[in-house]
Amino acid sequence: GAGVSQSPRYKVAKRGQDVALRCDPISGHVSLFWYQQALGQGPEFLTYFQNEAQLDKSGLPSDRFFAERPEGSVSTLKIQRTQQEDSAVYLCASSLGLAGGPTDTQYFGPGTRLTVL
Amino acid sequence: AQKITQTQPGMFVQEKEAVTLDCTYDTSDQSYGLFWYKQPSSGEMIFLIYQGSYDEQNATEGRYSLNFQKARKSANLVISASQLGDSAMYFCAMREGNFGNEKLTFGTGTRLTIIP
Repeated sequence: GAGVSQSPRYKVAKRGQDVALRCDPISGHVSLFWYQQALGQGPEFLTYFQNEAQLDKSGLPSDRFFAERPEGSVSTLKIQRTQQEDSAVYLCASSLGLAGGPTDTQYFGPGTRLTVL
Repeated sequence: AQKITQTQPGMFVQEKEAVTLDCTYDTSDQSYGLFWYKQPSSGEMIFLIYQGSYDEQNATEGRYSLNFQKARKSANLVISASQLGDSAMYFCAMREGNFGNEKLTFGTGTRLTIIP
């Protein structure tokens, strides 16, 4: 079956521009996550949805970052007034959520590589 | 303190040999889960194996096994009979607490290169 998909795969933005990154989770997955991966580092948690509810946004680095999942499926991560330090790979993951039990596993998409010039 | 520590930035291993990738973790929770992911150059994170804190046996998935030493807070990944396709970044990750705290905390990774 189809995995997690993300678009665009690559995005170049000029400093100050707004960008929107899209994530299509695995069908039927209740939980959706966004992570940021800087070059040479492990992914760092940004935010988490269960269906359409954003249950944890503790990892969002500033109020320029905003995520939504209005119908509990596709999610969009928006970054306003991009800055050079926002350059990173943005990874989306989904999981079954409660139905997955304690071993619930997150499955990742290919990521969007954002470069801010 | 780092929650997940991977002390091997890079490793070179001969094809068909076994390899152990180190991971130590730090948590005060009694309930937690440990995960290993593989990230090839394409960028996608591929789930490999899971170990729960209450699991009494080490997890195994095909050529992957997890050497879980709870008292030492280590969860090393063992890959048997390595293949050229195993060349990638490998990340150890932890989910802490009871179910409902969903986020994963990752280590900095180990770059594994398999030599023909």
